[in-house]
Amino acid sequence: QKEVEQDPGPLSVPEGAIVSLNCTYSNSAFQYFMWYRQYSRKGPELLMYTYSSGNKEDGRFTAQVDKSSKYISLFIRDSQPSDSATYLCAMRGENFGNEKLTFGTGTRLTIIP
Amino acid sequence: DTGVSQDPRHKITKRGQNVTFRCDPISEHNRLYWYRQTLGQGPEFLTYFQNEAQLEKSRLLSDRFSAERPKGSFSTLEIQRTEQGDSAMYLCASSLRGGQPQHFGDGTRLSIL
Repeated sequence: QKEVEQDPGPLSVPEGAIVSLNCTYSNSAFQYFMWYRQYSRKGPELLMYTYSSGNKEDGRFTAQVDKSSKYISLFIRDSQPSDSATYLCAMRGENFGNEKLTFGTGTRLTIIP
Repeated sequence: DTGVSQDPRHKITKRGQNVTFRCDPISEHNRLYWYRQTLGQGPEFLTYFQNEAQLEKSRLLSDRFSAERPKGSFSTLEIQRTEQGDSAMYLCASSLRGGQPQHFGDGTRLSIL
C-alpha cells in the first residue's frame, strides 16, 4: 500500500463549478502538506503549503488538513479552463533531515468551458 | 527572481550510454533536491543536498546514478550505462532552507532508445 493515495481521475467539471480534490495518507509523521499543479510537460508548481491541521485560503483555492482522519483536500472555487491540469498532493515529516516529499499519483482535472 | 533552471529539457540516448543533467537552483537556496517522475505517477525522491553536502539518497538511486553539487550552487545528475527503465522526467527542486517550500524546475525528459 502506498503512503499517499490519490484518485487519478480523470475528473471533468463545467466552468464555474467548485472542484474538490483529496488525498489520504498512512504515515502519521507527516506534518507539512502541499498541493502542486502540473501542466503537461512542465514541472510541478506550488499552490498551497500548510502545516499540521486546519484550513488555509489563497484566492480561489482552499486547502484543508484533517490529521485525525489522515485526509487532505483542495477546493477550487469558480473553476476556469486554465485550471485544467494535474493536481499533486505532497507531504513530508517535520524533523530536520526529513526533507523528502512523498507525492500522490496526481488527479487529472479538466474544466469544460 | 528566476526559477529553477534545468538543462537539457529533453535528452534522447541509446541504451548503455552515459547522460548528465544540470540543475541551477533559485539564487541563495541552500537546499537542492532531485526527483524522478514516470508517466501517470507523482515524483519520487532521489536525493538532496544542503549546500555541497549530499544528505540523503533514496534506494532508487542505484550505483549507476551519481549526483554532485560541487560549489553549493548548481548540481549535476549523471546516469551511467542507461537502461530502458531509466526513461522518465528528472525534476530538480530547491528551497531556501530546511522546512521551506520546494520549488521545481520544468525537468529533463530522458528517452532511452
